[in-house]
Amino acid sequence: AQSVDQPDAHVTLSEGASLELRCSYSYSAAPYLFWYVQYPGQSLQFLLKYITGDTVVKGTKGFEAEFRKSNSSFNLKKSPAHWSDSAKYFCALSNTGANTGKLTFGHGTILRVHP
Amino acid sequence: EAAVTQSPRNKVTVTGGNVTLSCRQTNSHNYMYWYRQDTGHGLRLIHYSYGAGNLQIGDVPDGYKATRTTQEDFFLLLELASPSQTSLYFCASSDPNNYAEQFFGPGTRLTVL
Repeated sequence: AQSVDQPDAHVTLSEGASLELRCSYSYSAAPYLFWYVQYPGQSLQFLLKYITGDTVVKGTKGFEAEFRKSNSSFNLKKSPAHWSDSAKYFCALSNTGANTGKLTFGHGTILRVHP
Repeated sequence: EAAVTQSPRNKVTVTGGNVTLSCRQTNSHNYMYWYRQDTGHGLRLIHYSYGAGNLQIGDVPDGYKATRTTQEDFFLLLELASPSQTSLYFCASSDPNNYAEQFFGPGTRLTVL
């Protein structure tokens, strides 16, 4: 069975600092990996995805993520962080084999960036 | 721009009540999904569909039915609502040829008293 773990329920940092949100996954084949962001009171918005190729992928809003097969991770990064980045971030994995389009989500990390 | 809309945005019902949540997408996507979001659980897949008339069971289907009437419209039905179904419900759509990137609706907050 596939799973996604976001070990940090909350991350707090000051504006201008570098942020890194952790995501690890369990999947028997090569995964498709995604990051979504949910601002307070809003729906989920797509940030970026890893399908194949370059292990560092860049997305919207200045975010990037690095796929590391060696430790099954897909951490989200941004530098510097801005107070407007405060939101809940979800890592997700897609089943590449069956092409169901199904996403398995982590529980999310709430990021607070203090001005 | 492609869009996913949901109605109603908020709904309050009583235990045993009958509720239908509606979702419409103008993305021309074949795949549509219903999720619920609860604190401590992230998003959990209830039902999904590959196209009109198709229905697939998700990870937490108990107490829910769904129907996909057209490519655009996907409905979630709670025929005997229970307080445990109080949640925030999201609909999403995707193009299977675009590596499963999903586009989400604004959500429906359902309260079952």
